[in-house]
Amino acid sequence: ETGVTQSPTHLIKTRGQQVTLRCSSQSGHNTVSWYQQALGQGPQFIFQYYREEENGRGNFPPRFSGLQFPNYSSELNVNALELDDSALYLCASSLATTVFNEQFFGPGTRLTVL
Amino acid sequence: SQQGEEDPQALSIQEGENATMNCSYKTSINNLQWYRQNSGRGLVHLILIRSNEREKHSGRLRVTLDTSKKSSSLLITASRAADTASYFCATVNGGSNYKLTFGKGTLLTVNP
Repeated sequence: ETGVTQSPTHLIKTRGQQVTLRCSSQSGHNTVSWYQQALGQGPQFIFQYYREEENGRGNFPPRFSGLQFPNYSSELNVNALELDDSALYLCASSLATTVFNEQFFGPGTRLTVL
Repeated sequence: SQQGEEDPQALSIQEGENATMNCSYKTSINNLQWYRQNSGRGLVHLILIRSNEREKHSGRLRVTLDTSKKSSSLLITASRAADTASYFCATVNGGSNYKLTFGKGTLLTVNP
């Protein structure tokens, strides 16, 4: 166990809806990154938050947005859900913005869009 | 976009045998990390090797890195049924040092 928690575990939504996923980082970690993992693929970087600001972003449209709170927990919001958004969403916490050391991943939230 | 490509995509071996997985990548890296994922759940960090290192060991794991060939290999010795999982390599590039870039992974099945 890494100490990183995510909620909910599973979620089913329909196209066009909005969803919020939550992540609590490991104690003492001030940086949270979000990844999307489609079935049979490796995770793809969505964005990173550090001190409540977005620090880097992958190739994802603006309808993917995030927040980080003063306690370093984080939310991933996806608007106007599409079928291709069905995936496992993983968050990872770390002590610094650079990934020069291991990242601690949560168990993920599996999102199904119908 | 995927940076690393693991080979093979799937590997099935008997308990006690060694398992070797390879990873190739395209651009220069700061470090390369290997992760394990059980049944579509969270990723567990296994080992990190920096660009100026050639080999690293951790328990039954041995990782090599050849920056001239832009490739890495992960060897699991004396495999166990509990090693059954997907294994991913992930690279860190100097220009984007805030993110991991993953390959598609190798599905390892260890038969008892």
